[in-house]
Amino acid sequence: NAGVTQTPKFRILKIGQSMTLQCAQDMNHNYMYWYRQDPGMGLKLIYYSVGAGITDKGEVPNGYNVSRSTTEDFPLRLELAAPSQTSVYFCASSFSFTGNHGYTFGSGTRLTVV
Amino acid sequence: GENVEQHPSTLSVQEGDSAVIKCTYSDSASNYFPWYKQELGKRPQLIIDIRSNVGEKKDQRIAVTLNKTAKHFSLHITETQPEDSAVYFCAASKTAGKSTFGDGTTLTVKP
Repeated sequence: NAGVTQTPKFRILKIGQSMTLQCAQDMNHNYMYWYRQDPGMGLKLIYYSVGAGITDKGEVPNGYNVSRSTTEDFPLRLELAAPSQTSVYFCASSFSFTGNHGYTFGSGTRLTVV
Repeated sequence: GENVEQHPSTLSVQEGDSAVIKCTYSDSASNYFPWYKQELGKRPQLIIDIRSNVGEKKDQRIAVTLNKTAKHFSLHITETQPEDSAVYFCAASKTAGKSTFGDGTTLTVKP
């Protein structure tokens, strides 16, 4: 049981490049989330999904896209990278039955856009 | 949308003292309040949570209290140890498990 697995751990992008951050969980959680964490700040919700085929915007969705074709995978796509997207990105999942539950986070992806 | 404010932003205590971190939330429909601990360079990890139908919850040296009327909740750590040093985040959730996070409190426990 690996929990939530994120790849890559580190990445440097040039302005205008694109990339996909991968996230997979093996806990059969329906709910999955992408957050970004800027230095000294809390976590801001980018996108979330309540199940396969269902995604919705969070607080800061501009410049990102997601898909959820399976329960296990929830990739985050960055199109036309900008310096403002330099951040640490965390994927998380949670159990969805009997009310809200705490998150299991992935180890994070540290992205620098230069 | 939901707004969560967390205070203080930094907290320094002597080993063995207690530490208290407070959060307020704006949306009265929020019903789940988790706390996470994040060590330097690591992922946040859930340490304790409380639901809106409970006023207090305790787990060994940590406890959380919730005042729904005032819309605030607090984390209490007793007998602090150097390994408690970390950034602590509060959060509030209502639908689909979406959590709005506070900006974090950096706790330093001095030996």
